[in-house]
Amino acid sequence: DAGVTQSPTHLIKTRGQQVTLRCSPKSGHDTVSWYQQALGQGPQFIFQYYEEEERQRGNFPDRFSGHQFPNYSSELNVNALLLGDSALYLCASSPGRGVGNQPQHFGDGTRLSIL
Amino acid sequence: GDSVTQMEGPVTLSEEAFLTINCTYTATGYPSLFWYVQYPGEGLQLLLKATKADDKGSNKGFEATYRKETTSFHLEKGSVQVSDSAVYFCALIGGSQGNLIFGKGTKLSVKP
Repeated sequence: DAGVTQSPTHLIKTRGQQVTLRCSPKSGHDTVSWYQQALGQGPQFIFQYYEEEERQRGNFPDRFSGHQFPNYSSELNVNALLLGDSALYLCASSPGRGVGNQPQHFGDGTRLSIL
Repeated sequence: GDSVTQMEGPVTLSEEAFLTINCTYTATGYPSLFWYVQYPGEGLQLLLKATKADDKGSNKGFEATYRKETTSFHLEKGSVQVSDSAVYFCALIGGSQGNLIFGKGTKLSVKP
């Protein structure tokens, strides 16, 4: 049973460019959340998708956008990249939305470096 | 808003020593509480959870008890191993929200 898978593993971009990160949730999970983890910090919530719609959003600018597909996979898009966007981007999936006692399962992340 | 505060690291212990990593939280309502572990170069793995007051989560020798009166969820292990070296994150999901709120993490290094 495959867990959460993310691609690519690493990515290098320059300031001003745009990037798309991809995530496939764990089998049986329909809710996908994205987190940004800066070096030495805890993950920060970006947004959550359920039934192909953004259901919750953290304190991130609208340069950060996303999408969820009918098969529950998801993309995170970041436009006009800034140096401060350099981080590990983590995707997490869970069964059902807003069920607080259901743990989220994380992928290994995409390491994004902005030059 | 909701928040999690963890003890500052890094924490360095000898093998077989006792481990405590403190975690306190601020939340409205009755959050669910989690400990996640992150090994170098990897994503986060759920270590244990507790969903209501006085619940004890346990896994792989680690334990944490949900203490509502002190708003705490301290992580403990009686005898650490070198393989426990990692970064540990305390987290909560509050109320009807579905997103995790994390502490800053505590890096643990266990020496042989």
